[in-house]
Amino acid sequence: EADIYQTPRYLVIGTGKKITLECSQTMGHDKMYWYQQDPGMELHLIHYSYGVNSTEKGDLSSESTVSRIRTEHFPLTLESARPSHTSQYLCASREDTQNTEAFFGQGTRLTVV
Amino acid sequence: GEDVEQSLFLSVREGDSSVINCTYTDSSSTYLYWYKQEPGAGLQLLTYIFSNMDMKQDQRLTVLLNKKDKHLSLRIADTQTGDSAIYFCAESFGFQKLVFGTGTRLLVSP
Repeated sequence: EADIYQTPRYLVIGTGKKITLECSQTMGHDKMYWYQQDPGMELHLIHYSYGVNSTEKGDLSSESTVSRIRTEHFPLTLESARPSHTSQYLCASREDTQNTEAFFGQGTRLTVV
Repeated sequence: GEDVEQSLFLSVREGDSSVINCTYTDSSSTYLYWYKQEPGAGLQLLTYIFSNMDMKQDQRLTVLLNKKDKHLSLRIADTQTGDSAIYFCAESFGFQKLVFGTGTRLLVSP
């Protein structure tokens, strides 16, 4: 069983609010990822990290920001939520070798009203 | 850039074989993966294939890789209702990025 956790599982929030989606893993993985998943299923990479103090933007432009102060923690922040941010957000981690399985959290379903 | 495409939907009857297809544009990937997502859950790895292989079998799952055509497929033998889920192919580029396909929703009817 994967030891990667996302909180909250579900969040409904008003426009303009600041929110942070939490992602934690206890496997000591260096590489962590945030994906945004459309209602129609497609996964888009929005942020990734190679390790502590490393963050990179993914293929899909996102107004969110991330930080990696500790290996186990990779939070995603939206400074001012908008209805266009409504989506499922999935966090993943994997070891720092070439072929390794990516472990996914259960996801956070965010609705901005 | 890396584009990974899949057909959106596949419907089969229980006991039949399912074949889910994936095409990709960037041939520099090192490993290719198949992940399964059940409703309300994250993704779980099903199987993977190294880019210099052309076939891998793992119980009911068979992965075929055609590097020339940049085509990857997943065959599920004796498909069960519990196999109903969304299936994603993914490419790994060296040590860094993992790029996912658009996902195929498999529906298995009794």
